[in-house]
Amino acid sequence: DAEITQSPRHKITETGRQVTLACHQTWNHNNMFWYRQDLGHGLRLIHYSYGVQDTNKGEVSDGYSVSRSNTEDLPLTLESAASSQTSVYFCASGGQGGTGELFFGEGSRLTVL
Amino acid sequence: KNEVEQSPQNLTAQEGEFITINCSYSVGISALHWLQQHPGGGIVSLFMLSSGKKKHGRLIATINIQEKHSSLHITASHPRDSAVYICAVRANSNYQLIWGAGTKLIIKP
Repeated sequence: DAEITQSPRHKITETGRQVTLACHQTWNHNNMFWYRQDLGHGLRLIHYSYGVQDTNKGEVSDGYSVSRSNTEDLPLTLESAASSQTSVYFCASGGQGGTGELFFGEGSRLTVL
Repeated sequence: KNEVEQSPQNLTAQEGEFITINCSYSVGISALHWLQQHPGGGIVSLFMLSSGKKKHGRLIATINIQEKHSSLHITASHPRDSAVYICAVRANSNYQLIWGAGTKLIIKP
């Protein structure tokens, strides 16, 4: 069965370190998204991609970067982790074309100390 | 004012009750999503609507494009339905998803 997976599921790091969260989908979706979820804010879009070599900034992109070298993967990198980036991160794919359904990964809980 | 408003923010009901969660939006859209998130859990897509009505098991979603309003109904509610229900719309202007703040539903046995 097709799926979308995130890793790691839990990560504790220190301020200033570089962190990469992986997202891998086997739906063959062109569209992929990274969100963060914090209490009182709901889901906020960090970056998104509509296809290979395409990346776009979302509403809260500062301090984050993504790359899309193939259809399946959209890794999210925190160049220099800050305590404000402690959050739960969700990757999603789909949302356009076909059924238009969105598929979410199980989330990655990041703590920056 | 948020472009996507959900009501109520919180809802507590007894098992078996008929549940309605509402979503109103102010932009032109091409589609509307309803999603479910269990406490501490992942996010699951329930429905994607562009018109009319869809049904899946005890869940029914309707949308009125003219009134810019959608509802999610749960029939014969059960404690396992307890979750946050989120509405999101795909704006015509840039195809981005605009998210509602979610409705926290608690079903008591």
